[in-house]
Amino acid sequence: EPEVTQTPSHQVTQMGQEVILRCVPISNHLYFYWYRQILGQKVEFLVSFYNNEISEKSEIFDDQFSVERPDGSNFTLKIRSTKLEDSAMYFCASSGDRLNEKLFFGSGTQLSVL
Amino acid sequence: DAKTTQPPSMDCAEGRAANLPCNHSTISGNEYVYWYRQIHSQGPQYIIHGLKNNETNEMASLIITEDRKSSTLILPHATLRDTAVYYCIVRGNAGNNRKLIWGLGTSLAVNP
Repeated sequence: EPEVTQTPSHQVTQMGQEVILRCVPISNHLYFYWYRQILGQKVEFLVSFYNNEISEKSEIFDDQFSVERPDGSNFTLKIRSTKLEDSAMYFCASSGDRLNEKLFFGSGTQLSVL
Repeated sequence: DAKTTQPPSMDCAEGRAANLPCNHSTISGNEYVYWYRQIHSQGPQYIIHGLKNNETNEMASLIITEDRKSSTLILPHATLRDTAVYYCIVRGNAGNNRKLIWGLGTSLAVNP
């Protein structure tokens, strides 16, 4: 079965540094998402992306966050200046249908901000 | 906040059916019920979804009450690999109201 691929699996960074989390969605999918999960807490929606623009974002997704689909295959999440509270597992997801009925999730990137 | 209520944990014997309940009393007419699960340290995995009719696929069955205020996910023959956190999520399918809002789910332990 096709899968969503995320790299790296673990990322350690210093507070204030920029990080880019990378995702390769399933090739014919058109809808892309980032979610995150702080250890022991709920999964939280960050942003959805379709047709090269953000279609919805949460309060968490402030101006320190950005997303990009630079080359038609990768989908990236950038955090410009990381904070300690950005430490979490970040999940990328994609969907191929207009109604977004079934989301396929990657295995996540564990971000640790020191 | 999540629009669903689930028991925090359940146990099931291997080979038996696991029945996971979910209450969604404030569900509106155009909202679907989705079930996902998350095996420890992995990304969430889609299981099944439905609007008002019962649904079945290769993984599970979804039984939705006639008033749509509650549903039950059934794993017919649970295995040890079904040990996971199961999330019941109510979600619209129109416009920008498509994000998944997650609760704490039900932690299912399948015991040998």
